[in-house]
Amino acid sequence: EVQLVESGGGVVQPGGSLRLSCEASGLTFDDYAMHWVRQAPGKGLEWVSLISWNGATTYYADSVKGRFTISRDNSKNSLHLQMNSLRPEDSALYYCAKDHHDDNGHFSGAFDCWGQGALVIVSS
Amino acid sequence: IQLTQSPATLSASVGDRVTITCRASQNITNWLAWYQQKPGKAPKLLIYKASNLESGVPSTFGGSGSGTEFTLTINSLQPDDFATYYCQYYNTYSAYSFGQGTTLEIK
Repeated sequence: EVQLVESGGGVVQPGGSLRLSCEASGLTFDDYAMHWVRQAPGKGLEWVSLISWNGATTYYADSVKGRFTISRDNSKNSLHLQMNSLRPEDSALYYCAKDHHDDNGHFSGAFDCWGQGALVIVSS
Repeated sequence: IQLTQSPATLSASVGDRVTITCRASQNITNWLAWYQQKPGKAPKLLIYKASNLESGVPSTFGGSGSGTEFTLTINSLQPDDFATYYCQYYNTYSAYSFGQGTTLEIK
């Protein structure tokens, strides 16, 4: 069974930094691109960032570009999100999520496994 | 590309058939997925590539559409189906976006 477990959330002041981690188990981690998706309290889902299977390619939502950095360590089955220059509007539950591949192993553009989330609160 | 879901809230009864619509501002071919989210839980993938049922998802769920208009249909609503549903698209520039969500509540 695939499991994704996030950690590193907390309360931080505006302008501060935080590093989230996601530990993966039950899968061949380096077979998949990985994502961060966030959800502000009572709001909808917002895709944040993607990292390719080998870490060579990364993409970011415009709302976090230049402030957040996604990385992975395939030797430790771990995914990270370094968040700098945090703003109150970054307050959210941050999920790590795995790329979905269909039964033929083809990329589908969806996310099929999610962690339980790490809560980030940016407040003075 | 913007995704617009309708309705924002839907009231229905157990046993009903319901349809949720997701409209894209541009043609996204079939790069659309549907998720179910219950309070305090992570989203769950239901449908990928517009009409493909994810493994383990009941066959009462179905997806259709292509281009700019997509639908999620739930046949014979069960008590466990009352939740919030999101559509999500992917494009070849590795951009992902979600609809604003549809809350399905018990009438």
